[in-house]
Amino acid sequence: DIVLTQSPVLAVSLGQRATISCRASQSVSISSINLMHWYQQKPGQQPKLLIYRASNLASGIPARFSGSGSGTDFTLTIDPVQADDIAAYYCQQSRESTWTFGGGTKLELK
Amino acid sequence: EVQLQESGPGLVKPSQSLSLTCSVTGYSITSNYWGWIRKFPGNKMEWMGYISYSGSTSYNPSLKSRISITRDTSKNQFFLQLNSVTTEDTATYYCARYLRANYGDYWGQGVMVTVSS
Repeated sequence: DIVLTQSPVLAVSLGQRATISCRASQSVSISSINLMHWYQQKPGQQPKLLIYRASNLASGIPARFSGSGSGTDFTLTIDPVQADDIAAYYCQQSRESTWTFGGGTKLELK
Repeated sequence: EVQLQESGPGLVKPSQSLSLTCSVTGYSITSNYWGWIRKFPGNKMEWMGYISYSGSTSYNPSLKSRISITRDTSKNQFFLQLNSVTTEDTATYYCARYLRANYGDYWGQGVMVTVSS
């Protein structure tokens, strides 16, 4: 299985930029298609799709969220961070038929 | 609007079967892919499997001998059965629509299932 590694915690100030990383144990890209996706999850709620295929903003998601990367290294950026963005963020790959998720990054306020 | 809602028992005894239902409104399950993901205490997430628009299935190999995902198109519902559960199957179970079999764009609220005697 492809292992996705995320830092457990990221502390950020409101109004600043948050950069959340996800590293895959092998490439999750096929040609120019990057099969990495990002979710936000708040306590007691279901995951919400933010970014699909590395850089595409899901429907209804604010433009302060963006994604980038290819191969094995991917980034979710929130700029500027708002209070409503305090949550856990998970990456997920679909390069292999067995999807896997990262362990999640908890975004906290400094 | 697409909506999914899980239902099923919150407590299952070890060695028994876990059975959950996902009821879908606003979209037909005869289109796209539909499946289950669980989140363990401690926050690890695991993809369990899906059933496609045609009724074909794909399962996580780690569960392949214990899992079954089926559907009832007349009720627009799909189902999870996990056999021979242990305490390690204690988790919150989510159903989701998998767009293009790549990512979940609509999710249910989740149902917490505890395996305990």
